[in-house]
Amino acid sequence: AQSVTQPDIHITVSEGASLELRCNYSYGATPYLFWYVQSPGQGLQLLLKYFSGDTLVQGIKGFEAEFKRSQSSFNLRKPSVHWSDAAEYFCAVQGPGGYSGGGADGLTFGKGTHLIIQP
Amino acid sequence: GAGVSQSPSNKVTEKGKDVELRCDPISGHTALYWYRQSLGQGLEFLIYFQGNSAPDKSGLPSDRFSAERTGGSVSTLTIQRTQQEDSAVYLCASSSGQGTPLHFGNGTRLTVT
Repeated sequence: AQSVTQPDIHITVSEGASLELRCNYSYGATPYLFWYVQSPGQGLQLLLKYFSGDTLVQGIKGFEAEFKRSQSSFNLRKPSVHWSDAAEYFCAVQGPGGYSGGGADGLTFGKGTHLIIQP
Repeated sequence: GAGVSQSPSNKVTEKGKDVELRCDPISGHTALYWYRQSLGQGLEFLIYFQGNSAPDKSGLPSDRFSAERTGGSVSTLTIQRTQQEDSAVYLCASSSGQGTPLHFGNGTRLTVT
């Protein structure tokens, strides 16, 4: 079964500093990989996705993520955070070909990383 | 509509009552998902629809939970005889098919008193 680990429950970063949120996955092949962001009281917004090709993926709001097959990782980065980036961040995986049925859900999510921005 | 719409946005109910949560997906999206988000627990998969059928109900936590989808569009998640542990945010998402990203609604915050 596929799984996603986000080892950091909370991260505090100063405004203007760089950010890296970690994500490791377990899957038998190369999955589709996603990062979502959730602001308080809101649903999840897709930041970026990796399906294939270039392992460095650019997303919205200045975020990027790098797929590293050897490390089964898909870490999210941003060179300089803004106070508006404070939110919950979720990494997710999906089997190639999308939903596979048989008890598997469309996406498997990590438990999230809560990002706090210090002024 | 432009995005996934869920209603109500907030629901407070007494223990033992039934509740219905509604999801209106993005027009044309064939796949629809329900997730539950509890504090500190991440997102828990509940049920998946492809069209009007639900090939995977494995995430429904008990037989008090049911869901249906009609016309390949709107879905309703029903919780019967609500319990306090049902308090959570219920998120709906839709997608246009396999391998495509999920688009989420803003959720329904359910509080059972």
